[in-house]
Amino acid sequence: LAKTTQPISMDSYEGQEVNITCSHNNIATNDYITWYQQFPSQGPRFIIQGYKTKVTNEVASLFIPADRKSSTLSLPRVSLSDTAVYYCLVDLQTGANNLFFGTGTRLTVIP
Amino acid sequence: GAVVSQHPSWVICKSGTSVKIECRSLDFQATTMFWYRQFPKQSLMLMATSNEGSKATYEQGVEKDKFLINHASLTLSTLTVTSAHPEDSSFYICSAEDPMGQPQHFGDGTRLSIL
Repeated sequence: LAKTTQPISMDSYEGQEVNITCSHNNIATNDYITWYQQFPSQGPRFIIQGYKTKVTNEVASLFIPADRKSSTLSLPRVSLSDTAVYYCLVDLQTGANNLFFGTGTRLTVIP
Repeated sequence: GAVVSQHPSWVICKSGTSVKIECRSLDFQATTMFWYRQFPKQSLMLMATSNEGSKATYEQGVEKDKFLINHASLTLSTLTVTSAHPEDSSFYICSAEDPMGQPQHFGDGTRLSIL
């Protein structure tokens, strides 16, 4: 399983765009990049998944450069409720694999 | 969307007690489920992979006789912490493989406190 590196923590003011970058230098050809969000005392929630270039959904965008050795999760106009830990994972898309969770990034949104 | 339910969400018991945690896939069949453990301010650590109809696969360092896993149906996996001790206190989370190839779905976890 490819390992990932993320900043341990980030702070942001409400209404700002937040970009969290993840490094995955050993990503394999068949690996996808998936981001999860976790609130205290809850299980992780799926945010977004991508393979290359850009993916956008109703809550976030995921930017992946051509070499795929990193990716950036972009959260537009964060609110206080976006305070959580965000995990970047790389693995096969099928989901039939155990997932390796790195340290994650603890995002704190400030009023 | 697909939902994974865990029960109980919180349990407190005395040292030496065995505790069973259930993980159910509510609207899909899951041949594979995963059990994770998370200590405060730490990341999730995979404990074992639960396969329907066969023995679970445990990660290195996880005692299979301590953490009994049963996956008797396509919608239910159980984790039993046998003879629990205070060091077993943790947040236990399950996830289930989506048969449609979508990202895994996680339960909301069970907080286990052993006195």
